[in-house]
Amino acid sequence: SQELEQSPQSLIVQEGKNLTINCTSSKTLYGLYWYKQKYGEGLIFLMMLQKGGEEKSHEKITAKLDEKKQQSSLHITASQPSHAGIYLCGADEAGDSSASKIIFGSGTRLSIRP
Amino acid sequence: SAVISQKPSRDICQRGTSLTIQCQVDSQVTMMFWYRQQPGQSLTLIATANQGSEATYESGFVIDKFPISRPNLTFSTLTVSNMSPEDSSIYLCSVADAGNTDTQYFGPGTRLTVL
Repeated sequence: SQELEQSPQSLIVQEGKNLTINCTSSKTLYGLYWYKQKYGEGLIFLMMLQKGGEEKSHEKITAKLDEKKQQSSLHITASQPSHAGIYLCGADEAGDSSASKIIFGSGTRLSIRP
Repeated sequence: SAVISQKPSRDICQRGTSLTIQCQVDSQVTMMFWYRQQPGQSLTLIATANQGSEATYESGFVIDKFPISRPNLTFSTLTVSNMSPEDSSIYLCSVADAGNTDTQYFGPGTRLTVL
């Protein structure tokens, strides 16, 4: 089965600084999801990448999927306290473009220091 | 986007009892899933809830422990049976639609504590 490894496991960043979270798969990624989970709350969908080399941005968050489709990175520019939370990458196991179950990485706990 | 509600939002239960968690979606969806998030850990898929048939369970999860129902395309239940403290987790319902693979939505979760 597919395994996802996220790094770093935790991150403390000074407010205003940039940061990057990585997600590496043991297999080709057919669909890569990024979610954010605020402490004690549910999951918030950030974005989904499918094509090799694809890049998407939402406000100050940019996610990329490498050409080989085995690694994705999530980059936050000028971090703010509202960015604090747990970031999870998830992979679509199906590979046939149908809605499928998502397997998650271990998560990255992000704290923003004022 | 799909709006998902879960009941209860949280509960504290005694060892040996069972709890049924409900998941309601505001629109018909093709796929419904149940996840578990144990304290300090990432999400683990328990099973895929199939409408009109038995759920499909992931390795390590069995129907006797986590019976699932899905009577229609907008509703599902997960029961945590014969609970032990190790079952203390957040249980999340998730939905996706075969016609829109860009997103998979999650419910707010049910925080379960077993004493």
